[in-house]
Amino acid sequence: DTGVSQNPRHKITKRGQNVTFRCDPISEHNRLYWYRQTLGQGPEFLTYFQNEAQLEKSRLLSDRFSAERPKGSFSTLEIQRTEQGDSAMYLCASSLSRGMDEQYFGPGTRLTVT
Amino acid sequence: EDKVVQSPLSLVVHEGDTVTLNCSYEVTNFRSLLWYKQEKKAPTFLFMLTSSGIEKKSGRLSSILDKKELSSILNITATQTGDSAIYLCAVDYSWGKFQFGAGTQVVVTP
Repeated sequence: DTGVSQNPRHKITKRGQNVTFRCDPISEHNRLYWYRQTLGQGPEFLTYFQNEAQLEKSRLLSDRFSAERPKGSFSTLEIQRTEQGDSAMYLCASSLSRGMDEQYFGPGTRLTVT
Repeated sequence: EDKVVQSPLSLVVHEGDTVTLNCSYEVTNFRSLLWYKQEKKAPTFLFMLTSSGIEKKSGRLSSILDKKELSSILNITATQTGDSAIYLCAVDYSWGKFQFGAGTQVVVTP
């Protein structure tokens, strides 16, 4: 399978715990995006990378959230001291950066904070 | 503030009907508009629109962009139950940054 993959697919955690998600983009894609989606809403932009450089972070991303893409390939999204409001689907997408390029999404990680 | 608004929020149709979904946008630096279909998983890409008035077509789905009206429509003809999904509109407004609408939930009944 050469699509975008995400792990884990589901995560249940207790409030206050830290969680980390992983995204493996399509191999030749140098752009990688993280989104959060809640029920009844479209994906909400969190951050994106061009190769290993994090180009932008949403102002909605509190300091409890951090993302890395150390070698310009896979990326991790960590949420520290989780809160119930963090419960959502976390989607990763990747694209080329030739100019106008569509994003390809992974299956997402569903986080439930109890 | 950049925003993307889709309408209607949801609709129910019978198999064989035609549906028209709307997406309007207000962004500072429009580059392209994309449509995605989302079933019980991640969004899958349908169309990318950059030029006004040029229809893109794929089977029973078609879409067109109107830059003057800052909007796009997605048409689905001869709907099938497999078309039941959430249809998302997204606008690329800043060199690869995308603003998504809330989506339109389409339910096609047999």
